[in-house]
Amino acid sequence: KQEVTQIPAALSVPEGENLVLNCSFTDSAIYNLQWFRQDPGKGLTSLLLIQSSQREQTSGRLNASLDKSSGRSTLYIAASQPGDSATYLCAVMNNAGNMLTFGGGTRLMVKP
Amino acid sequence: EAQVTQNPRYLITVTGKKLTVTCSQNMNHEYMSWYRQDPGLGLRQIYYSMNVEVTDKGDVPEGYKVSRKEKRNFPLILESPSPNQTSLYFCASRGLAVTGELFFGEGSRLTVL
Repeated sequence: KQEVTQIPAALSVPEGENLVLNCSFTDSAIYNLQWFRQDPGKGLTSLLLIQSSQREQTSGRLNASLDKSSGRSTLYIAASQPGDSATYLCAVMNNAGNMLTFGGGTRLMVKP
Repeated sequence: EAQVTQNPRYLITVTGKKLTVTCSQNMNHEYMSWYRQDPGLGLRQIYYSMNVEVTDKGDVPEGYKVSRKEKRNFPLILESPSPNQTSLYFCASRGLAVTGELFFGEGSRLTVL
């Protein structure tokens, strides 16, 4: 059974810092990996999706990498801003494309 | 606008009173799924559907039913709700022929007294 772990569980940084969020998964037979953002009490906003055949994806200040063989993904946030404060979730879709397993999330606070 | 719509967004009910949470998507997606989010347990998949009339269990299906009679709709049915089904519920959809990006609804917060 797929297990997804995110480290750290919480992170507090001053504005302007570059930061890295980590996600690891136990079964490398995946269809894709997706990073989401969730604001308190709100839904999930998709940030980046990496197909199993890809190594990285970029969108603005965000860059996500995938190392399928080692079961790891990282989300890099450049020049963090207070508006980036949220919980970041990674989720792995299995090879069959029907089961999604979420990590526990990293709660990020960016202080002005 | 492409979206996944859930209703109701907030509901307080009592034990044993049947309820349905509706989910509708306007993107002609084949795949739809339901999740619940609980503090300390994260998001867990309840049921999914690969297409009309094709549904299957996720990790935590006990106490729930689903149906997929039309492509756009995937309702979640709680036949006899219990307090342990108090949770935040999310519906999601994706197209099978494209990248596989999942689109989520805004969530439905359910309280069972």
